[in-house]
Amino acid sequence: GAVVSQHPSWVICKSGTSVKIECRSLDFQATTMFWYRQFPKQSLMLMATSNEGSKATYEQGVEKDKFLINHASLTLSTLTVTSAHPEDSSFYICSARVGVSNTGELFFGEGSRLTVL
Amino acid sequence: RKEVEQDPGPFNVPEGATVAFNCTYSNSASQSFFWYRQDCRKEPKLLMSVYSSGNEDGRFTAQLNRASQYISLLIRDSKLSDSATYLCVSRLIGPPSPEARQLTFGSGTQLTVLP
Repeated sequence: GAVVSQHPSWVICKSGTSVKIECRSLDFQATTMFWYRQFPKQSLMLMATSNEGSKATYEQGVEKDKFLINHASLTLSTLTVTSAHPEDSSFYICSARVGVSNTGELFFGEGSRLTVL
Repeated sequence: RKEVEQDPGPFNVPEGATVAFNCTYSNSASQSFFWYRQDCRKEPKLLMSVYSSGNEDGRFTAQLNRASQYISLLIRDSKLSDSATYLCVSRLIGPPSPEARQLTFGSGTQLTVLP
């Protein structure tokens, strides 16, 4: 299957700093990527839909100024957690959709575990 | 009410046992359904799609009842390696739009297969 890579896998940062997470589709072009967050023992929750060349669409309750998404190319989307606080500590996962149709198969990145001290 | 609800478990079963997971969904517009498997601290991986006619993949059988908005996963002859969290997932297929929400995840059912 297609490969989606996330980086970094683990990150620890101090409160107030910003953290950037990258999501790359390695062997296909992804017009649309999705960012999820998962707290311990909870489900994945969609944060935002990232579209190449346009603004991301955020889910209700997700602060767009805090979670900056950039999808500058067909193979890369980035999520920047700005002014991170301990409550932002979570497992962040991206997925990328193959092709343009919204029925295209989705592949997940390996996830990035953020710990804010 | 959550869009996709699952029994969180945990289910602790001996090797070789048969175990069944249930899932209900509230959005009748949901078109497609899947079971994903998520190992601890890893990303979810697609286990199988779920079809109205029911489908089987080796030891795994998935069924969908649209009238009851109910999905199930049956695992026969459980292996130690089946220990994981199983996520029930629904998918909306709307008009071709980048903004169409893709997947809604249940909170997962934790399975531990014991030797």
